[in-house]
Amino acid sequence: DAGITQSPRYKITETGRQVTLMCHQTWSHSYMFWYRQDLGHGLRLIYYSAAADITDKGEVPDGYVVSRSKTENFPLTLESATRSQTSVYFCASRDGLAGIYEQYFGPGTRLTVT
Amino acid sequence: ILNVEQSPQSLHVQEGDSTNFTCSFPSSNFYALHWYRWETAKSPEALFVMTLNGDEKKKGRISATLNTKEGYSYLYIKGSQPEDSATYLCAFISNFGNEKLTFGTGTRLTIIP
Repeated sequence: DAGITQSPRYKITETGRQVTLMCHQTWSHSYMFWYRQDLGHGLRLIYYSAAADITDKGEVPDGYVVSRSKTENFPLTLESATRSQTSVYFCASRDGLAGIYEQYFGPGTRLTVT
Repeated sequence: ILNVEQSPQSLHVQEGDSTNFTCSFPSSNFYALHWYRWETAKSPEALFVMTLNGDEKKKGRISATLNTKEGYSYLYIKGSQPEDSATYLCAFISNFGNEKLTFGTGTRLTIIP
């Protein structure tokens, strides 16, 4: 199906474990983004990518790693999960410049770190 | 860190009434402003992309205006319906780092039938 998908939708992991959240889009959008949703903070940008093999930090990148070897995929890895990383994570994509194009969001991944 | 504020934080409106709320953003280095609608248990969906001072956009009963010189945008909903219940987010894009959106914390709108 066309669109933007995230997997898993729900994940429970233990402190210190590595976990990877997957994001896949079928539109060949150039830009992809990872946000986390926290009470009182709204959506905060973790990392983004302007194209394959081009990534850059957002507002809250510490403890996260991203890669983008293919245009359609943008995985987010928590190298050593901490309780403060318990959150809902949204992936988004956009076709080009923010002055013209809107962003499309995935359904979200709810991550709990115990 | 860019300061994007939305007010009020939450709002209860009687069905059929009209309402509006505000997004405030830095008036310098403006590049674009987005509005998104976010229903509970779903993901945000775009309403408007706005770039020009004085811009007015409309989609059905929802409209938005933009004042880049004073740094605010209004979102209006005319004749509220229960399906309008959602959180409405604005996102500011600066000339510096114009690839990234900085979101406000949203206005949570509840329509009372």
